[in-house]
Amino acid sequence: EAQVTQNPRYLITVTGKKLTVTCSQNMNHEYMSWYRQDPGLGLRQIYYSMNVEVTDKGDVPEGYKVSRKEKRNFPLILESPSPNQTSLYFCASSSRTGRSYGYTFGSGTRLTVV
Amino acid sequence: QKEVEQNSGPLSVPEGAIASLNCTYSDRVSQSFFWYRQYSGKSPELIMSIYSNGDKEDGRFTAQLNKASQYVSLLIRDSQPSDSATYLCAVWGDSSYKLIFGSGTRLLVRP
Repeated sequence: EAQVTQNPRYLITVTGKKLTVTCSQNMNHEYMSWYRQDPGLGLRQIYYSMNVEVTDKGDVPEGYKVSRKEKRNFPLILESPSPNQTSLYFCASSSRTGRSYGYTFGSGTRLTVV
Repeated sequence: QKEVEQNSGPLSVPEGAIASLNCTYSDRVSQSFFWYRQYSGKSPELIMSIYSNGDKEDGRFTAQLNKASQYVSLLIRDSQPSDSATYLCAVWGDSSYKLIFGSGTRLLVRP
């Protein structure tokens, strides 16, 4: 089944404790992206990657890191999480023709930083 | 001005009615338009795409595009309580090479 897999689905952590949210897709998509979604603010792009070893900042990159060492994986790293990073996170991917097919989203990760 | 604008709602319609959801966008050169449905706490799910002016129908859903007016809409016929969700309009930014999302319209279908 074609899908984007995120883990974990739920995570509660403490301020300052480094964490990684994993994202993997099995569709051989070139493009991958991370979003956060907060009430009233909609989906905001954090980082995106056009292909292996190519990443760039989205609209709200502060406090986040990413890497793209393999085509299928695009982990999101929070080096020192803070309470304002409590949010619902989505990973998404698309083929090079994303303009034609849109994005496929992962199931989401609900992160709480206390 | 936001790049993609939607009324946040909620839009409340009775079961069986037609729900009409609207979206405007600012980039005149945009060519691809999408509607996603998102249930609370779940991920967005693609339900319609449209690329040409006019209407595109898929079951109970009809997407409408008017590039001259920079306007996209989604009609849901015979609305069901299970259609209650937030509907996200998304526009492919040809200059930014990414999907740009509106903040969504919450639809409530009353039994």
